[in-house]
Amino acid sequence: AQSVTQPDIHITVSEGASLELRCNYSYGATPYLFWYVQSPGQGLQLLLKYFSGDTLVQGIKGFEAEFKRSQSSFNLRKPSVHWSDAAEYFCAVPYTGGFKTIFGAGTRLFVKA
Amino acid sequence: DTEVTQTPKHLVMGMTNKKSLKCEQHMGHRAMYWYKQKAKKPPELMFVYSYEKLSINESVPSRFSPECPNSSLLNLHLHALQPEDSALYLCASSQPTESSEAFFGQGTRLTVV
Repeated sequence: AQSVTQPDIHITVSEGASLELRCNYSYGATPYLFWYVQSPGQGLQLLLKYFSGDTLVQGIKGFEAEFKRSQSSFNLRKPSVHWSDAAEYFCAVPYTGGFKTIFGAGTRLFVKA
Repeated sequence: DTEVTQTPKHLVMGMTNKKSLKCEQHMGHRAMYWYKQKAKKPPELMFVYSYEKLSINESVPSRFSPECPNSSLLNLHLHALQPEDSALYLCASSQPTESSEAFFGQGTRLTVV
């Protein structure tokens, strides 16, 4: 069955520093993969998505993610973090055979001044 | 218009009350979803409607009753809830294909007293 794992429950970075959030997937075929962001008490917003083709995907708010089949990973990166990036980040994969999204446990990002 | 609108934003209800959560989208999406999210957890799927028909019910208690009156609207009727049902309830919509990302509303914060 499809699944995604986010090994880091929370991460703290300094404002202006680079960021990498980890995501590992389990999927039989080439997966579709998503990253969502959720600010406190808010809904989820799609940052970027991978379907096929280029393994480096650009998203909104300066985020990018790289799909690495050999490592079963889809890590999210940002070169310079802003205080407003503090939020919960979810990696996700669609469920084959139904309209359903399977979310990772999430990584909470804290940004320190 | 890429918005999913949920009302109300906050709801406090007693265990004997009946209330409804409402969700609306005008993106032409034919799949709509209800998710429940507890604090510090990822969203959990409750129901999926595809072409206005219930296609997935994730073993949700009968005190939650979904309704999809038309392709733009989704309701969640609540009756005789328990305090443990307090959570953020998220509505989402997408095209009814595996590769389509979901667009989320801002959620309804429900407190059962």
